[in-house]
Amino acid sequence: KAGVTQTPRYLIKTRGQQVTLSCSPISGHRSVSWYQQTPGQGLQFLFEYFSETQRNKGNFPGRFSGRQFSNSRSEMNVSTLELGDSALYLCASSFPGGTNTGELFFGEGSRLTVL
Amino acid sequence: AQSVTQLDSQVPVFEEAPVELRCNYSSSVSVYLFWYVQYPNQGLQLLLKYLSGSTLVKGINGFEAEFNKSQTSFHLRKPSVHISDTAEYFCAAPRPGGEKSNYQLIWGAGTKLIIKP
Repeated sequence: KAGVTQTPRYLIKTRGQQVTLSCSPISGHRSVSWYQQTPGQGLQFLFEYFSETQRNKGNFPGRFSGRQFSNSRSEMNVSTLELGDSALYLCASSFPGGTNTGELFFGEGSRLTVL
Repeated sequence: AQSVTQLDSQVPVFEEAPVELRCNYSSSVSVYLFWYVQYPNQGLQLLLKYLSGSTLVKGINGFEAEFNKSQTSFHLRKPSVHISDTAEYFCAAPRPGGEKSNYQLIWGAGTKLIIKP
């Protein structure tokens, strides 16, 4: 069973540009969540999608957006990049059930460097 | 306040020595508790979880954790570490009301386990 796939793994952008990151969840998983990880702030929740609907959003500016497609694949977009957006962006999928088992399956992340 | 606190940012330990990584949670979070591990240049993976039942939980790679309600702790232990255990370890718990939604996890700041040869 294939794991969570994130593309690209590494990318370098300059300030003001925009970036789109992609995440393919484990087959059968309908929930996809995104996290930003930085040395200073740790793991911060960005948003979560289920059945093409954003269920919740973290405390990030509107420059950060996402979507989910009918096949559960998800993308996130960051517009007007700032230096502080340099981070590892992690995608996690899960199969929502009646009880929160807390088991998120993470991809290896997309490491974004903004120059 | 809802919080999960990892008391040590780094823990250096000699290979084959025992290790304990500490995690405390505030009483306002839901008492489902998790430890995740992040190996260098990888995503996170679930190490173990406490949902209910026995307070001693066994996970992968020889790790175990003990849920202690009176001390609001969920410390992670391994009796003998190996160089391959070099990683960052995260403790997490759902926000109250987040029991049915996997995304509502509160994360600790992480503890880097450094294995000395």
